[in-house]
Amino acid sequence: AQSVTQLDSHVSVSEGTPVLLRCNYSSSYSPSLFWYVQHPNKGLQLLLKYTSAATLVKGINGFEAEFKKSETSFHLTKPSAHMSDAAEYFCVVSDLGGGSTLGRLYFGRGTQLTVWP
Amino acid sequence: EPEVTQTPSHQVTQMGQEVILRCVPISNHLYFYWYRQILGQKVEFLVSFYNNEISEKSEIFDDQFSVERPDGSNFTLKIRSTKLEDSAMYFCASRDRLGQYFGPGTRLLVL
Repeated sequence: AQSVTQLDSHVSVSEGTPVLLRCNYSSSYSPSLFWYVQHPNKGLQLLLKYTSAATLVKGINGFEAEFKKSETSFHLTKPSAHMSDAAEYFCVVSDLGGGSTLGRLYFGRGTQLTVWP
Repeated sequence: EPEVTQTPSHQVTQMGQEVILRCVPISNHLYFYWYRQILGQKVEFLVSFYNNEISEKSEIFDDQFSVERPDGSNFTLKIRSTKLEDSAMYFCASRDRLGQYFGPGTRLLVL
């Protein structure tokens, strides 16, 4: 069975400081992993996805995530937070592995990121 | 940039009434999905749709739910007789090889 656990429901950082949003996954397969972001009154936007090609995945807006199989983690990071990064972030696993986007998605509970000026 | 759109953004209905939630997927996408998020809970998969038929559905997607692609652009979710527990945010998504792209959601409130 596939599942993800987002370890923090809320994260607050100051503008210009690093961001770390933590995610652990459970998957029966070599997983497909994603991070989505949701700004208020907007749809869920794909930030980045993990395929089996590279363990460090770069996404949009300066975000990146590292797949660590030994730790079953896929934490999202950004070196320097910007006010516009304030949003809710979802770690997601697909029930088909190998980088496939075909399958149903399993969402974590979300992490609300607040960025202070 | 093309995006998934959903209407209405908010819907209030009485228990037992039928509701239809509408989605316009991205035009060249072939796979479509509905998810929902009950307040305070995770986003949950409801159903996937391809080639004019359901390809997968979750245990949530019972006989009260149906999906349809009535024309070349719309993708609808119908709830025949709404219950209080159907109150949630409903997200539509469509897919290409890069991932699933979500609409802004319809917030459904059943009274």
